Amino acid sequence: EPEVTQTPSHQVTQMGQEVILRCVPISNHLYFYWYRQILGQKVEFLVSFYNNEISEKSEIFDDQFSVERPDGSNFTLKIRSTKLEDSAMYFCASAHRVSGNTIYFGEGSWLTVV
Amino acid sequence: LAKTTQPISMDSYEGQEVNITCSHNNIATNDYITWYQQFPSQGPRFIIQGYKTKVTNEVASLFIPADRKSSTLSLPRVSLSDTAVYYCLVGDLATDSWGKLQFGAGTQVVVTP
Repeated sequence: EPEVTQTPSHQVTQMGQEVILRCVPISNHLYFYWYRQILGQKVEFLVSFYNNEISEKSEIFDDQFSVERPDGSNFTLKIRSTKLEDSAMYFCASAHRVSGNTIYFGEGSWLTVV
Repeated sequence: LAKTTQPISMDSYEGQEVNITCSHNNIATNDYITWYQQFPSQGPRFIIQGYKTKVTNEVASLFIPADRKSSTLSLPRVSLSDTAVYYCLVGDLATDSWGKLQFGAGTQVVVTP
């Protein structure tokens, strides 16, 4: 079964540093998403991306966050200046939408800000 | 997206059937019901999706009554590996906002020997 893959699986970074989380969505998918889950809390939507632009974002997704699809396969989430409260598991997800509406999630990248 | 209510937790023994009911009184005409499973430190995994009556796949069954105000996820003969959090989500798949999934707290299912 095709998978959404994410790297790194775990990253520790110092407060104020920039972090880039990488994702390879399922190859023929057209819609891409980032979610996050703070330890012990709910899975929260951050942003959706389609046709090379953001289609929707949550209030969490402020100016310190950005997303990019630099080539035909990768989808990245950048956090410009990390804060302690950015420590969370970040999930990338993708969906085809035309041939199916199932949203498939990756295994996550665990970000620890110290 | 319609608001959903599901039990916080359920306990079961191996080999039993587990039924998790989700209430969605404000479900809209075009809304579908989708269930995800999440293991600790892993991403949510799609289980099943339906609109009405009954849907079955190799993992689970989904029962939806005629009024669609609730749905029941049925896990047959659970094993220890079915211990996970199960989420019920309701929304219109045709809208772009479908991707903005709103996860609740889910139902923690614990299976013991």
